[in-house]
Amino acid sequence: DTGVSQDPRHKITKRGQNVTFRCDPISEHNRLYWYRQTLGQGPEFLTYFQNEAQLEKSRLLSDRFSAERPKGSFSTLEIQRTEQGDSAMYLCASSDPGSYNEQFFGPGTRLTVL
Amino acid sequence: GQNIDQPTEMTATEGAIVQINCTYQTSGFNGLFWYQQHAGEAPTFLSYNVLDGLEEKGRFSSFLSRSKGYSYLLLKELQMKDSASYLCAVKENSGNTPLVFGKGTRLSVIA
Repeated sequence: DTGVSQDPRHKITKRGQNVTFRCDPISEHNRLYWYRQTLGQGPEFLTYFQNEAQLEKSRLLSDRFSAERPKGSFSTLEIQRTEQGDSAMYLCASSDPGSYNEQFFGPGTRLTVL
Repeated sequence: GQNIDQPTEMTATEGAIVQINCTYQTSGFNGLFWYQQHAGEAPTFLSYNVLDGLEEKGRFSSFLSRSKGYSYLLLKELQMKDSASYLCAVKENSGNTPLVFGKGTRLSVIA
């Protein structure tokens, strides 16, 4: 399977702990996006990369959130001092520069903060 | 600001046709996407419209009117497996930029 992969698929943590998620995009895709989705809502943009450069961060992304894509391949999303409101599905997507921006989504990481 | 509206829920009968509407008000427009999302799974791409008119792809069609800020997704010959959420998303800028999603329409197909 050469689609977008995410790890872990599920994460349960206690409030105040730090968590890190990983996304491996489709290999030839240079754009990588992070979205957050809560129950009954559509995905909400967090940040995105072109190669290793972080091009944009949502205003909704607090300073507890940080994302990296150090070699322009996989990306990590870290949440520090988690809060119960961080509980959500974190989706990663990637796209091909030659396409009309069809974004291919990974299966997501479901975070539960107790 | 950004505003993308879709009905929250719809129910339709197996074998029937259903139309899911989406209206949008965004700062820019460079294309509209429809995605399907089954419960607990990732969204999967269905269609893309950037010019006015109808795009047909098998049982699924999508329509766009840029002047009205309006799109619809038409599903024909409904099957039980079509029960899912359908997400309308707008690309505001040119290039491979993030999408702005609506809240999604949860479609239930009943026998």
